[in-house]
Amino acid sequence: AQSVTQLDSQVPVFEEAPVELRCNYSSSVSVYLFWYVQYPNQGLQLLLKYLSGSTLVKGINGFEAEFNKSQTSFHLRKPSVHISDTAEYFCAVSEPPSGNTPLVFGKGTRLSVIA
Amino acid sequence: DGGITQSPKYLFRKEGQNVTLSCEQNLNHDAMYWYRQDPGQGLRLIYYSQIVNDFQKGDIAEGYSVSREKKESFPLTVTSAQKNPTAFYLCASNGRGLGQPQHFGDGTRLSIL
Repeated sequence: AQSVTQLDSQVPVFEEAPVELRCNYSSSVSVYLFWYVQYPNQGLQLLLKYLSGSTLVKGINGFEAEFNKSQTSFHLRKPSVHISDTAEYFCAVSEPPSGNTPLVFGKGTRLSVIA
Repeated sequence: DGGITQSPKYLFRKEGQNVTLSCEQNLNHDAMYWYRQDPGQGLRLIYYSQIVNDFQKGDIAEGYSVSREKKESFPLTVTSAQKNPTAFYLCASNGRGLGQPQHFGDGTRLSIL
């Protein structure tokens, strides 16, 4: 069965500093990968997704992620964070064909941006 | 605007009581999902449905039940058999096609009185 490991449960970072949130997945077959963000007491919003093609994926709010097949990783990065980026971030994976199949989520990383 | 509506936002359950969480979508999506979120646990799948009148158990289905009588609606009942129901419940949906992301509602927080 698929599994997703988010290596850091909490990441504190100063405002305007860069950040990387790490995600590793277990599957050795082709996968689809997603990053979601959750603000307090809200649902999840899609930040970006990787299906195929270029391994560097750009998303909303200045985030990007790099797919590394050999390391089975999909780390999320932002070059300069803002206070408004404080939230919980979830990495998720599914196996093709994945039109209607459930995602497997990591346990989340809480990003705290310090002024 | 298209989206997923969950209601109520907050819900309280008495011991021995069944409660039903509502999830409605107007995105014309075929598939719908229910997740449970506990602090530090991520999202765990309760049930999902890929088509009307059909649904499958997820990883933690015990103590829960669902129905899918209409494409737009996927209510979740938390039964008295669920001994630890206090959690944040999230409903999601997605359409057909490869790599379609799931769209989420704003959740229902269930607490025990």
